[in-house]
Amino acid sequence: QTVVTQEPSLTVSPGGTVTLTCASSTGEVTSGYYPNWFQQKPGQAPRSLIYGTSNKHSWTPAHFSGSLLGGKAALTLSGVQPEDEAEYYCLLYYGGARVFGGGTKLTVL
Amino acid sequence: QVQLQESGPGLVKPSQTLSLTCTVSGGSISSGNYYWSWIRQPAGKGLEWIGRIKTSGSTNYNPSLKSRVTISVDTSKNQFSLQLSSVTAADTAVYYCAREPDYWGQGTLVTVSS
Repeated sequence: QTVVTQEPSLTVSPGGTVTLTCASSTGEVTSGYYPNWFQQKPGQAPRSLIYGTSNKHSWTPAHFSGSLLGGKAALTLSGVQPEDEAEYYCLLYYGGARVFGGGTKLTVL
Repeated sequence: QVQLQESGPGLVKPSQTLSLTCTVSGGSISSGNYYWSWIRQPAGKGLEWIGRIKTSGSTNYNPSLKSRVTISVDTSKNQFSLQLSSVTAADTAVYYCAREPDYWGQGTLVTVSS
């Protein structure tokens, strides 16, 4: 069974920069895994932020960016704002199937 | 803007079949080359991908659920549906429908209990 691993929790100061990562139990994450990133705040549905490694939607805040880093997919928040405090999930494509990571709880403190 | 809305019973008895429908508004479910997905989230836990369908009828399912899941589409109603058979308490979750890779519904809570 394929496992996608994220940091369980991270803490960042307002105005700081933080990088969340997403690893695959199958090995190096490449663009072929089409990494997606989602933000979920308490009581809300997830919201898509990034698709296909680094593509943004029209609603994606400018200070979010996606990339590949050290064999993993990465989501970087630059100039973190208090409203960025949320759970973040990555999603990887395995052919026709998809697997979510366990999520990273980001605290802005 | 495309909007998705899940609907269906909020309570299902163990061993029965869970049935949910996702109604798409703001655009035709048949336009574009999109896949339409179901995802679930047990309370306090992470997201689990259930499966997806294209309007051509092509489907992909989570291997761990494949034996119990059927996803179908009704283009005339601009809807797609989820059926999950032989449910247990472990299937209690908020169920989301989504258009890959962008829009999500608000989710609907389904509780499995007698």
